Amino acid sequence: AQKVTQAQTEISVVEKEDVTLDCVYETRDTTYYLFWYKQPPSGELVFLIRRNSFDEQNEISGRYSWNFQKSTSSFNFTITASQVVDSAVYFCALSEVNYGGSQGNLIFGKGTKLSVKP
Amino acid sequence: DTAVSQTPKYLVTQMGNDKSIKCEQNLGHDTMYWYKQDSKKFLKIMFSYNNKELIINETVPNRFSPKSPDKAHLNLHINSLELGDSAVYFCASSLRPVSRLDTQYFGPGTRLTVL
Repeated sequence: AQKVTQAQTEISVVEKEDVTLDCVYETRDTTYYLFWYKQPPSGELVFLIRRNSFDEQNEISGRYSWNFQKSTSSFNFTITASQVVDSAVYFCALSEVNYGGSQGNLIFGKGTKLSVKP
Repeated sequence: DTAVSQTPKYLVTQMGNDKSIKCEQNLGHDTMYWYKQDSKKFLKIMFSYNNKELIINETVPNRFSPKSPDKAHLNLHINSLELGDSAVYFCASSLRPVSRLDTQYFGPGTRLTVL
């Protein structure tokens, strides 16, 4: 069965600290995509990144970086020099290719609430 | 311009009523979705529409019925509302009809409160 686990329910850091949000997934498929979304206190869901299962290169975007390790089925997200505006709930999600060709579901983890204190 | 919009943003209603939530996307996407986020923030797919055809229907009570008049709109109609329906409902869309796993872009959410 497909599953996404975000073991950290809540994390609290002080501004300028680095923080890593963990994501571990389970899937039987060899082709799949992984996503991270951010949900700030205002409630909307903001897309951050998509990574396909064949691309294990790490990605950096400003203060954000993602580490995809297929061997451990993990897709961790690191925020460097955190800021108060990074405070949000972060969701990791998995989408599979269905063999019938139909759109795969997005399976979400339960989210990690990050609080960055000044 | 808002890419995926939902109305209303907040909806408070009595048990037993029927209500609708509207969703529109101006991205030219072919596939649209409805997700439910419960009080514990857990997000779960409810429906997906591909070019006006239902392609996913998770174990959702049949009181919930998605209606897609065209590929830019996917409305959610809920009959006989129950207390447990209280949640935030998110609409989303993605580009292509057959899965190459395009990114799903979400609307701002509709917070439904059933009293």
